[in-house]
Amino acid sequence: SQLAEENPWALSVHEGESVTVNCSYKTSITALQWYRQKSGEGPAQLILIRSNEREKRNGRLRATLDTSSQSSSLSITATRCEDTAVYFCATDAHGNEKITFGAGTKLTIKP
Amino acid sequence: EAAVTQSPRNKVAVTGGKVTLSCNQTNNHNNMYWYRQDTGHGLRLIHYSYGAGSTEKGDIPDGYKASRPSQENFSLILELATPSQTSVYFCASGGVNQDTQYFGPGTRLLVL
Repeated sequence: SQLAEENPWALSVHEGESVTVNCSYKTSITALQWYRQKSGEGPAQLILIRSNEREKRNGRLRATLDTSSQSSSLSITATRCEDTAVYFCATDAHGNEKITFGAGTKLTIKP
Repeated sequence: EAAVTQSPRNKVAVTGGKVTLSCNQTNNHNNMYWYRQDTGHGLRLIHYSYGAGSTEKGDIPDGYKASRPSQENFSLILELATPSQTSVYFCASGGVNQDTQYFGPGTRLLVL
């Protein structure tokens, strides 16, 4: 079973709307990262939120972290067509240099 | 800006053949990683390295070897390629303490 899991597995909204992707994880962590992967490219980090933080923002992106429920969310406001991508959450295990990715949420922004 | 490059970008190999995938980073990062990506599985870690001369097994190392001859270069080696190793392979570099990972553009490998 995966250590990190995003839901839903696919999502579609119209341009300009807001959208939220959720992530649940199974171990205690030092940090949780959100990555975006556009078609034909490697993943690129959007936000890194550490275990002592509850919220982090990056422009139109907002990530939350709830260590008690072992969950995180990534919200995108005023979506654009170029936000179409697969979104991954990735977690570390305490003291481990590795991070584990979930299977991703495929987000489609419709014109 | 962080830069990770991979070669080749596309590769067709025959079953039983040897395949070497190369990765170069100019970030001066200590850590480097090899992942494979398959539909429904996200990114799975094959091997990683803490620095020149070091290689560590990831979550799915069977059938793969890795080599880190220098800070900048990290190779993934398939000694006897099999069709089940058909996938997209990504290399990444990162700092210590679970820091951001910077990914290359990927190598698409087809084993016939």
